[in-house]
Parts: sequence; structure tokens; C-alpha cells
Amino acid sequence: GQQVMQIPQYQHVQEGEDFTTYCNSSTTLSNIQWYKQRPGGHPVFLIQLVKSGEVKKQKRLTFQFGEAKKNSSLHITATQTTDVGTYFCAVRPEETSGSRLTFGEGTQLTVNP
Amino acid sequence: DAGITQSPRHKVTETGTPVTLRCHQTENHRYMYWYRQDPGHGLRLIHYSYGVKDTDKGEVSDGYSVSRSKTEDFLLTLESATSSQTSVYFCAIRSPQGGRTEAFFGQGTRLTVV
Repeated sequence: GQQVMQIPQYQHVQEGEDFTTYCNSSTTLSNIQWYKQRPGGHPVFLIQLVKSGEVKKQKRLTFQFGEAKKNSSLHITATQTTDVGTYFCAVRPEETSGSRLTFGEGTQLTVNP
Repeated sequence: DAGITQSPRHKVTETGTPVTLRCHQTENHRYMYWYRQDPGHGLRLIHYSYGVKDTDKGEVSDGYSVSRSKTEDFLLTLESATSSQTSVYFCAIRSPQGGRTEAFFGQGTRLTVV
């Protein structure tokens, strides 16, 4: 099955520090999605990356898709307490029909005010 | 939020009893998923459906079965619940149409097997 590894598993930062989480796949991906789950909540879609080398920004969040379409990163600049939660990547292998959706283990971010 | 509801939201059951969780959507999305979430394991795919009566296994399907007799409902059944199936279960829906095919999640069902 699809193997996707997400690191780190946990990250504790002081408010104002930057944060990055990485998602790495053993196979080429058709695209990659990122989700955020607030404590006690459900995952909510953030963004989808499709093209090799793609970079997208949402305010303080920067998303990158690797040139080989096997890895991706989410970077948050100057974290705020509202950034607390778990960030997941989700992938669909390029060779499948596209219905299966597999999530990484997530990175749990805590922000100390 | 997408029209997706899970029921029940909380359930406590005894080991060895059958349990059925329901996922209902009003979006007419083709794909539906069941995930379980446990500390340190993220979201693990149990089963998914790519159409009415079309289902397939995920990475942790042992001990679970599913059924989808109509577009809007996707049922997850634990034939004989075990303590290892204590978890939070999330249903998700997704449409293959359009350029952005994100998954929408239900609120989750917290299941405790005692």
C-alpha cells in the first residue's frame, strides 16, 4: 500500500517561531493535500498541490511540492496560538484510479504564548 | 461545512457485541471513506467506497466490514467488537469532479469497547 511518512510527529514552539512539517512518499504522487485538525475537531482541508515543484502560499503558510512529486512541506512563519493543531498530508498514488486517499501520521503542533 | 453526519457520536459497547456506525451525506459525492484515529497513528484508512456497492479495503480493515447500498449512506460494522477497536472513527466524502477534490470529514464517532 501507499507509504507516506510525516515528520516530525510532535513540534513545540514559542509563539513567533517558525514551524515546518514534511511529508515523504516512497512512490510518485498524483497530488498531495494538506489538512489541519484542531484539538477535539475533525480534519479540514487546507490546500492541494499538483504540479512538480509547485509552491503555494496562504498568508503565513507556505506549501511546497517536490520536483520528483515524492515529498512536500508545510511551513508556517511566525506561529500564533491559533496555529495549534495537527497537520496531515494526504496522498493518492499516481498509478491508481484515484479513489483511495491515505493520510500521513500527522504533526502535532503546540504553541506556547 | 459539507452535509455529512455521523451517528452515533459516542458509543460504549461491550467486547464481543456487534456495532454499526453510520455515515450519511447529502452532497451526492461518489467517494466515501472510514478512518480511525488513534494517538501516534494519525488517520488510518479502514475501508472506502468508490460507488454504490463498490468498496475496497484500506490498511486496517481486519475486524471491520462496510456496506453502501445507496449513494448517501456508508455503514461501518464491527462484527464482534474488541478493546483494540476503541478509537475515534471519522467518515469522509470526496468528489472526483472538478480540479479540487478535497475530502470533507464528519464530526467523528468516539467508540469505547469495554
